[in-house]
Amino acid sequence: GENVEQHPSTLSVQEGDSAVIKCTYSDSASNYFPWYKQELGKRPQLIIDIRSNVGEKKDQRIAVTLNKTAKHFSLHITETQPEDSAVYFCAAQTGGSYIPTFGRGTSLIVHP
Amino acid sequence: EADIYQTPRYLVIGTGKKITLECSQTMGHDKMYWYQQDPGMELHLIHYSYGVNSTEKGDLSSESTVSRIRTEHFPLTLESARPSHTSQYLCASSSDRKDQPQHFGDGTRLSIL
Repeated sequence: GENVEQHPSTLSVQEGDSAVIKCTYSDSASNYFPWYKQELGKRPQLIIDIRSNVGEKKDQRIAVTLNKTAKHFSLHITETQPEDSAVYFCAAQTGGSYIPTFGRGTSLIVHP
Repeated sequence: EADIYQTPRYLVIGTGKKITLECSQTMGHDKMYWYQQDPGMELHLIHYSYGVNSTEKGDLSSESTVSRIRTEHFPLTLESARPSHTSQYLCASSSDRKDQPQHFGDGTRLSIL
């Protein structure tokens, strides 16, 4: 089955800095890669996703890049703000499944 | 507004009690899921359903059971709660397309004394 590795497990940055979270996957059949943000005490929510026919996608301060050859994808957050502090989960999903394989999560702390 | 609802949000109960965690969605989704998550930690799939009368166990072994009698309702039951069941339980749903995200409820935080 699919295996998703996510790094780092904890990331601490100063407000205004950039943050990068990286994930690798094992199944070359994976073609959908969502990212979820979970604030303390709240539900995970989709913040951005990318499909395998696209190499990069941006939405304001966040962007996701996908390298299918190397089987890795990354979340980039620019100009971080304290409200970006949360746990971020990457996931990979194959075309044959409705169920994503999640990474273990990255706790992002943005210091004011 | 379409959403996914879980009740109760918090439950503190004694060992040996029967518990049902409720999950309902107005998203119009056929696919529903239950995850177990210790706060801020990994998401572990414990049950899923692709439609009415369809239920499957997930990757993480769980002593809980589920039922799917109505499309919008996917309750999870623990017949005899134990302290090891203390955790957060998240319900989710997704559409029929395979390249679509999951939508999560607010979760039930369960504490077994």
